[in-house]
Amino acid sequence: GIQVEQSPPDLILQEGANSTLRCNFSDSVNNLQWFHQNPWGQLINLFYIPSGTKQNGRLSATTVATERYSLLYISSSQTTDSGVYFCAVEKETSGSRLTFGEGTQLTVNP
Amino acid sequence: NAGVTQTPKFQVLKTGQSMTLQCAQDMNHEYMSWYRQDPGMGLRLIHYSVGAGITDQGEVPNGYNVSRSTTEDFPLRLLSAAPSQTSVYFCASSFSLNRGAYSYEQYFGPGTRLTVT
Repeated sequence: GIQVEQSPPDLILQEGANSTLRCNFSDSVNNLQWFHQNPWGQLINLFYIPSGTKQNGRLSATTVATERYSLLYISSSQTTDSGVYFCAVEKETSGSRLTFGEGTQLTVNP
Repeated sequence: NAGVTQTPKFQVLKTGQSMTLQCAQDMNHEYMSWYRQDPGMGLRLIHYSVGAGITDQGEVPNGYNVSRSTTEDFPLRLLSAAPSQTSVYFCASSFSLNRGAYSYEQYFGPGTRLTVT
């Protein structure tokens, strides 16, 4: 199956700092999503981005499918950004059989 | 819309007991999935369904059964609980056609925290 590697595994920031999270995957994919798991355990879909660039407020993501990686950018971080960020991929498009990375644990200190 | 709902939120079982985790979605999604999350790890796929009456195994299906009799519901059955099944279980749904556009994002329920003693 597809291997998904996320880096860094842990990241500690001061409020207001910027950060870049990386996701590498071992095979071509047609579905790539970024999720945020908040401290209460809820998983929130941030981006569906099998290729290209998207932005949503302070967050943006870029996937370079030909080079098998995706980046998640967080600008002007806030304490509410804390949690675990997961990258998940699938060879098909459906989103029903995602393979997850092990996540990046982000802590934003005030 | 309630989105994806799961019951119960917490459950404690003794080894050998059976139970059903309930999952429902009201977004008219075709696809539904069950994942488990163990401490410090990402999610692993247990079973999934691409429509009513159609299910298939994921990465870690042993010890679990599923069925999909309606589009809305996708229950997960633990046949004979084992301590190795202590985990947080997430149900998710995806794939819809809305106003001419396909949507492939996966949406998750709040999870069920299961402990097997």
